[in-house]
Amino acid sequence: DAGVIQSPRHEVTEMGQEVTLRCKPISGHDYLFWYRQTMMRGLELLIYFNNNVPIDDSGMPEDRFSAKMPNASFSTLKIQPSEPRDSAVYFCASSLVETEYEQYFGPGTRLTVT
Amino acid sequence: SQQGEEDPQALSIQEGENATMNCSYKTSINNLQWYRQNSGRGLVHLILIRSNEREKHSGRLRVTLDTSKKSSSLLITASRAADTASYFCALERAQKLVFGQGTRLTINP
Repeated sequence: DAGVIQSPRHEVTEMGQEVTLRCKPISGHDYLFWYRQTMMRGLELLIYFNNNVPIDDSGMPEDRFSAKMPNASFSTLKIQPSEPRDSAVYFCASSLVETEYEQYFGPGTRLTVT
Repeated sequence: SQQGEEDPQALSIQEGENATMNCSYKTSINNLQWYRQNSGRGLVHLILIRSNEREKHSGRLRVTLDTSKKSSSLLITASRAADTASYFCALERAQKLVFGQGTRLTINP
């Protein structure tokens, strides 16, 4: 398996623009997680899905952030409009209940909002 | 706080020495996991220890868990330059993981 795939790897955009981050989890995994990592706040869980259904979005910072999982092999995290404080590395991870929620992380998307 | 707190925040040792990192927490857990993150990369799972286990080994890694003290430790023996990374403990509760701030480990040649 290729592991968790994220795209793009780097994104530079101007304030006010819409940003869409993409994730393909490991085939067969039933949980998908979106995280944000910054030096100041560390690794924060934004939202997670189970069998494509959002379970907990309490970590989503505000209404500008939204996430979808239309099928078991694809998820998106959208920021609209983007702000400089959204600059961070965004990770997607997937897991399987049978392995006690051991998570497999993608390489991350480094987002810079100018 | 529901997250684990790693100690120390940073650790620098000579190659060949052992490195010990600690994680303390305040809530109940199902299991505790340790992850490594190399600079610019995603996190990689190292080892999982269940709440009813006290010690686990994996290669040069040894993890202990003391649920009475709500603490865990990760020992890396015979460190190598390639072990330079950040190490995170993660508490598993209700299907999700809560990560600590991590320990930055530097192995000097």
